Amino acid sequence: EDKVVQSPLSLVVHEGDTVTLNCSYEVTNFRSLLWYKQEKKAPTFLFMLTSSGIEKKSGRLSSILDKKELFSILNITATQTGDSAVYLCAVFDRGSTLGRLYFGRGTQLTVWP
Amino acid sequence: NAGVTQTPKFQVLKTGQSMTLQCAQDMNHEYMSWYRQDPGMGLRLIHYSVGAGITDQGEVPNGYNVSRSTTEDFPLRLLSAAPSQTSVYFCASKLIAGVVNNEQFFGPGTRLTVL
Repeated sequence: EDKVVQSPLSLVVHEGDTVTLNCSYEVTNFRSLLWYKQEKKAPTFLFMLTSSGIEKKSGRLSSILDKKELFSILNITATQTGDSAVYLCAVFDRGSTLGRLYFGRGTQLTVWP
Repeated sequence: NAGVTQTPKFQVLKTGQSMTLQCAQDMNHEYMSWYRQDPGMGLRLIHYSVGAGITDQGEVPNGYNVSRSTTEDFPLRLLSAAPSQTSVYFCASKLIAGVVNNEQFFGPGTRLTVL
């Protein structure tokens, strides 16, 4: 059973559209939620969220966490073709001494010109 | 800093062969880990280490061994390759194992095909 569930699995939009990507989770001892962008190479870090209700923003991307409802959203406004990528959500579970990062399956975003 | 480096970038093996995927980081990171990424499956943790001499299993450890003799290096060994191990392998590291607020850095990946 997946501990981190992302939706939708894929999304196709046109340039200029706004998209919302979803991530829900269920882990023993939540500590943080991370968003990554992956093009045809290694994932690159976007945001780390630890507190509910505090929006993190970077240019056209923003993200917020709801620890009560166990989910996060990643918003991208005025999408561009360069936003086409797989967006990965990961949750840091402090359930053991060492902690562990669980990844969702990703949302494949395609932005058409 | 070179960050996290992985070699080789591509590898083709025959069933039953063994090999080692190399991973190194020059950031003095305590925590290192190996993931595999398969289509539609996201990243799954194979093994991880919180320091030299300390390793533990992740979600999918079968068929893989690791060791951490130095802080810098964390090789992943395939003992007897199987077609089910065809995947893209990512090594990652972060500064401190159990602390929330530190970013995990990924290597460029190794694409492995087992025939």
